[in-house]
Amino acid sequence: DTAVSQTPKYLVTQMGNDKSIKCEQNLGHDTMYWYKQDSKKFLKIMFSYNNKELIINETVPNRFSPKSPDKAHLNLHINSLELGDSAVYFCASSQETAGGYGYTFGSGTRLTVV
Amino acid sequence: LAKTTQPISMDSYEGQEVNITCSHNNIATNDYITWYQQFPSQGPRFIIQGYKTKVTNEVASLFIPADRKSSTLSLPRVSLSDTAVYYCLVGAENTGFQKLVFGTGTRLLVSP
Repeated sequence: DTAVSQTPKYLVTQMGNDKSIKCEQNLGHDTMYWYKQDSKKFLKIMFSYNNKELIINETVPNRFSPKSPDKAHLNLHINSLELGDSAVYFCASSQETAGGYGYTFGSGTRLTVV
Repeated sequence: LAKTTQPISMDSYEGQEVNITCSHNNIATNDYITWYQQFPSQGPRFIIQGYKTKVTNEVASLFIPADRKSSTLSLPRVSLSDTAVYYCLVGAENTGFQKLVFGTGTRLLVSP
């Protein structure tokens, strides 16, 4: 009954490969996000979707393509992986009228590109 | 977007009260102040949120002065398990917090 679940938890892959990370939330929230946390632990927003529509794209390379089949799912596909893509990727969700509870984050996917 | 400034790190001992202060001089009228906690290998977790004065829950208290240009997260009687990074964020609830920006956070180390 995890609120925001993402898979896989760990992903090791070679440069140039294409990979996907999946995220699902069972909170009934309207908005979902992808965040990237790099080796220096800075947490930066990448994308935000509200009811399946893209509303934030923070200058992320177009090798990254989010897809939201429904408002409970937001997947992240990455083409032609590069060494610099190595990071922890967090999925999160929030409600438009959050009522004071902000984001709920998943446990992260540690991506290592070798 | 209101920028936040908080200490990079703090040290404490078990049983002590820890106060982490965050500056947000450019806070907007409709911005709320939210604190998150992040343990290693986990996503950030909501701790507390407030708009003004004082808010208390089972985990922490949040003190916000009248000018709202700063806020203080207070953790009563910390334990080793409170060792984590604490983020102060400022954003508008009525936008679903869509533009929340995480700063560097404060790394709290609690020792025996």
